[in-house]
Amino acid sequence: KAGVTQTPRYLIKTRGQQVTLSCSPISGHRSVSWYQQTPGQGLQFLFEYFSETQRNKGNFPGRFSGRQFSNSRSEMNVSTLELGDSALYLCASSLGTAIMNTEAFFGQGTRLTVV
Amino acid sequence: AQSVTQLGSHVSVSEGALVLLRCNYSSSVPPYLFWYVQYPNQGLQLLLKYTTGATLVKGINGFEAEFKKSETSFHLTKPSAHMSDAAEYFCAVSKNDMRFGAGTRLTVKP
Repeated sequence: KAGVTQTPRYLIKTRGQQVTLSCSPISGHRSVSWYQQTPGQGLQFLFEYFSETQRNKGNFPGRFSGRQFSNSRSEMNVSTLELGDSALYLCASSLGTAIMNTEAFFGQGTRLTVV
Repeated sequence: AQSVTQLGSHVSVSEGALVLLRCNYSSSVPPYLFWYVQYPNQGLQLLLKYTTGATLVKGINGFEAEFKKSETSFHLTKPSAHMSDAAEYFCAVSKNDMRFGAGTRLTVKP
């Protein structure tokens, strides 16, 4: 079956712009989590959605937001981009939430560069 | 709050040698524990996980890890390194959300 699909794979944006990243989970998976990966900070949890509801949120400013649709697809939005937002953004899907501790499957990520 | 510490940001071994990647966690209650591997420009792939039951967990590609509650550790081992094992490895703990360690880059020398 198809894995987790993230689009686009690469993105270049200018400071101050906004960006929307998309994640299509594995069919049947209802949970989608987002992570930011940078060389300096490593993997940091952004938020998790389960059945269209945000279940958990990491320690990121309000410029970072997300949503999940009825088909479990998720989008992540970053407004007023800063240079420090340059990172690999990873999406993971799982059958249940982290509370249920089911295995998470990761997409290949979206590489965002802010110039 | 839970956190994960991976000792050693870089580990280098010779092909055929033992691989040992260290992971310690802090949690008020025993969490669920995972090891993931990341190859360049790829997402993360699950190597193995501990939830309950047997404390020695076997994963893919010959890796295994042992959960030691008394030491709050979940070290990853492989008896004989292969060139294809070169990658970045992440330890993670999960209770209410999943938290990752800083990662350990494994280099395998011929």
